[in-house]
Amino acid sequence: GDSVTQMEGPVTLSEEAFLTINCTYTATGYPSLFWYVQYPGEGLQLLLKATKADDKGSNKGFEATYRKETTSFHLEKGSVQVSDSAVYFCALSGGFKTIFGAGTRLFVKA
Amino acid sequence: EAGVTQFPSHSVIEKGQTVTLRCDPISGHDNLYWYRRVMGKEIKFLLHFVKESKQDESGMPNNRFLAERTGGTYSTLKVQPAELEDSGVYFCASSQSWGQGRFEAFFGQGTRLTVV
Repeated sequence: GDSVTQMEGPVTLSEEAFLTINCTYTATGYPSLFWYVQYPGEGLQLLLKATKADDKGSNKGFEATYRKETTSFHLEKGSVQVSDSAVYFCALSGGFKTIFGAGTRLFVKA
Repeated sequence: EAGVTQFPSHSVIEKGQTVTLRCDPISGHDNLYWYRRVMGKEIKFLLHFVKESKQDESGMPNNRFLAERTGGTYSTLKVQPAELEDSGVYFCASSQSWGQGRFEAFFGQGTRLTVV
């Protein structure tokens, strides 16, 4: 069945450091890919998405490119801030159901 | 526009008791989903309603879990009797159909359930 694998955390970075959170997927067909974020005490929010190969999703300085050849959707940000501290979930959907990765907790130190 | 709303935000119950979680989807969204995250693991799909009908309940763990969506509006998820392993965060989501499986699900804040 479809699945998502993302790097385990926690990831601890200093402010203004470069962030990469790796995500790979296994799916039949051509799923849409998502990154969701959960800030402390809040619900899941869609951070960005890509619906077809080579699409780049971007939001709030975060980017991820849908790579069909490597079945990857890595999340990147050039300069993280303390306010980016949260849990990040990579996910895919080929229909109505969304398949999530285990989540990666990010801590950003001032 | 109001987002997906879940009640309660936290619930602590004893093993063997019953708990009912509620989800109010975004108005006009026919699709409603329940997910669960247990012990810091991945968020797992439980079931999917289209209006009042269960479209897919393949993720429901066992018959102690009962989901309903009367009238196709809000939904409830009842756990009876609760066990320790039911502890986790229960998320509800809703969406419109965009066709070809390309949709965006809007999630609620989740209900943190602790069974002691």
